[in-house]
Amino acid sequence: KNQVEQSPQSLIILEGKNCTLQCNYTVSPFSNLRWYKQDTGRGPVSLTIMTFSENTKSNGRYTATLDADTKQSSLHITASQLSDSASYICVVSPGDSSYKLIFGSGTRLLVRP
Amino acid sequence: DGGITQSPKYLFRKEGQNVTLSCEQNLNHDAMYWYRQDPGQGLRLIYYSQIVNDFQKGDIAEGYSVSREKKESFPLTVTSAQKNPTAFYLCASSMRTNTQYFGPGTRLTVL
Repeated sequence: KNQVEQSPQSLIILEGKNCTLQCNYTVSPFSNLRWYKQDTGRGPVSLTIMTFSENTKSNGRYTATLDADTKQSSLHITASQLSDSASYICVVSPGDSSYKLIFGSGTRLLVRP
Repeated sequence: DGGITQSPKYLFRKEGQNVTLSCEQNLNHDAMYWYRQDPGQGLRLIYYSQIVNDFQKGDIAEGYSVSREKKESFPLTVTSAQKNPTAFYLCASSMRTNTQYFGPGTRLTVL
């Protein structure tokens, strides 16, 4: 069964600190993996997208990694800011030209001053 | 200003009523989607449409209906057959199977 699992479910860090969010998937075949940021009460916004051959991708203070062999991805946030408080969703696209994406349930991050 | 819009932002429904959620995009995307989001769960696909006048059921289509008469518009009707409709509804669009862009969402509450 195609699944995406994220950990931790929630995380609280102090402003300025770094953190890493985890994503494990069992989707096969695999096309790409995306990380989205969702502010409370808003729609998700794409942060990064990685294909099978890419193992790291950065977007400002966000750096995503992908290990296609172990089917794991991580999202590292550097020097966190209060505006980073949001849910971060890992999304995997099956490699069958499917319009159906597999969504993780997200990690809820709270950055405190 | 290109983007995807949803209306209304908040919607209240009485038991037994049908309600329609609006989704419009001016990104010239071929594909459009409707998702439902419940607390602590991943997004679940309700319906999607790859081209005008064609749409397919997602994983939780029961109690919902859609239409795709125009490329820009993909309205979702939540019917009285949907037993637990209170949720956050997200519309998205994409160029084929590329990155999906999401609207701001509609929060539906059943009174």
